[in-house]
Amino acid sequence: GAVVSQHPSRVICKSGTSVKIECRSLDFQATTMFWYRQFPKKSLMLMATSNEGSKATYEQGVEKDKFLINHASLTLSTLTVTSAHPEDSSFYICSARGIVGRGPSSTDTQYFGPGTRLTVL
Amino acid sequence: TQLLEQSPQFLSIQEGENLTVYCNSSSVFSSLQWYRQEPGEGPVLLVTVVTGGEVKKLKRLTFQFGDARKDSSLHITAAQPGDTGLYLCAGETSGTYKYIFGTGTRLKVLA
Repeated sequence: GAVVSQHPSRVICKSGTSVKIECRSLDFQATTMFWYRQFPKKSLMLMATSNEGSKATYEQGVEKDKFLINHASLTLSTLTVTSAHPEDSSFYICSARGIVGRGPSSTDTQYFGPGTRLTVL
Repeated sequence: TQLLEQSPQFLSIQEGENLTVYCNSSSVFSSLQWYRQEPGEGPVLLVTVVTGGEVKKLKRLTFQFGDARKDSSLHITAAQPGDTGLYLCAGETSGTYKYIFGTGTRLKVLA
């Protein structure tokens, strides 16, 4: 099946620093990538939609200057948490949407990455 | 704001029991997905339903999409400890390719 990777899987940083999280689609081209945030024991909250070569679309209440998203290629999107603070500590998950496979058996769906645990001290 | 409410929020059952998880909304979705998530991992897709009234089966799991495409259910037959996890439904708004996630149902199956 299709694979989406995230790097790093875990990161601990000091308050005030910036952290970059990468999301890669490994065996398909992702026309759209999505970034989610998940608090402990809670569901996923969509933060932004990222299309290759264009500006990300942020959900209401998400600060675009705080969470910088870059989608430079069809296989890579990055989320940078700028000037991180303890309240930014969370589980960040990306998903990539694209066509996997070829011909009649191809499917258009989204696949999730394994997530990145960010802890800001 | 679209909301997807799942019920129950928590469920603890004995191995071998049956259970149903519900996903309800006042909004219409072009498709709906069900995921299972293990702690510290990303969600894993179980099924996608796109047609109102559609029923899909995945081994002991049966998924149904409501006729009006506003709600869905997940039924597990003879639950096993390996079914333990967080179950999430996610609805796609027509034409947006965005999925809005439900509130989640945390299932624990005891051996």
